[in-house]
Amino acid sequence: SYELTQPPSVSVSPGQTARITCSGDALPKAYTYWYQQKSGQAPVLVIYEDSKRPSGIPERFSGSSSGTRATLTISGAQVEDEGDYYCYSTDRSGTHRVFGGGTKVT
Amino acid sequence: EVQLVESGGGLVQPGGSLRLSCAVSGFTFSYHWMNWVRQAPGKGLEWVAHIKKDGSETYYVDSVKGRFTISRDNARNLLYLQMNSLRAEDTAVYYCARDWKTVPFDYWGQGTLVTVSS
Repeated sequence: SYELTQPPSVSVSPGQTARITCSGDALPKAYTYWYQQKSGQAPVLVIYEDSKRPSGIPERFSGSSSGTRATLTISGAQVEDEGDYYCYSTDRSGTHRVFGGGTKVT
Repeated sequence: EVQLVESGGGLVQPGGSLRLSCAVSGFTFSYHWMNWVRQAPGKGLEWVAHIKKDGSETYYVDSVKGRFTISRDNARNLLYLQMNSLRAEDTAVYYCARDWKTVPFDYWGQGTLVTVSS
């Protein structure tokens, strides 16, 4: 089965930059999406189609993708950005929807 | 305002059945593919199933194929997940989530907890 690999945790100081990676063999041919989940809440879409930001998402959130790796960057991280972040994509066939294992940002 | 509200969760014995519902409002339900996503306690997100706008196509994660059925009632703005032959490993918070065009899970409900235990 297809898998997306994320680091379990990333630590960042307020005002600094956090980078979360997501690796998967099919990423060169499929978009990556990123979701933020704060404790006890439902996930929220923060990046779609590799690098686009939905309305209402702060500009400090950005995304990029190159080869088999996608990256979510939080520039000037704020205390309220603490939570779990999940990447999502599909396998080569496009029929299997897969989340990465999640990265806890503290 | 887009709203998705799940219901129907609870405690069920292994081998039992449960039907989850998701009531939506604030958008034209029949225009969107819909999904169920689950999250086991302390674990990550797992996509479970999704259904085409008119209900004519459905897809499932391998672990629930043959046991779960996703369906929808576009006239009543309701999404369902019928869960049969439940196992302990199905214990999770179940979220319904909307797709917007090619963007998956742009809106989520708050989830309903399903606990499978004797």
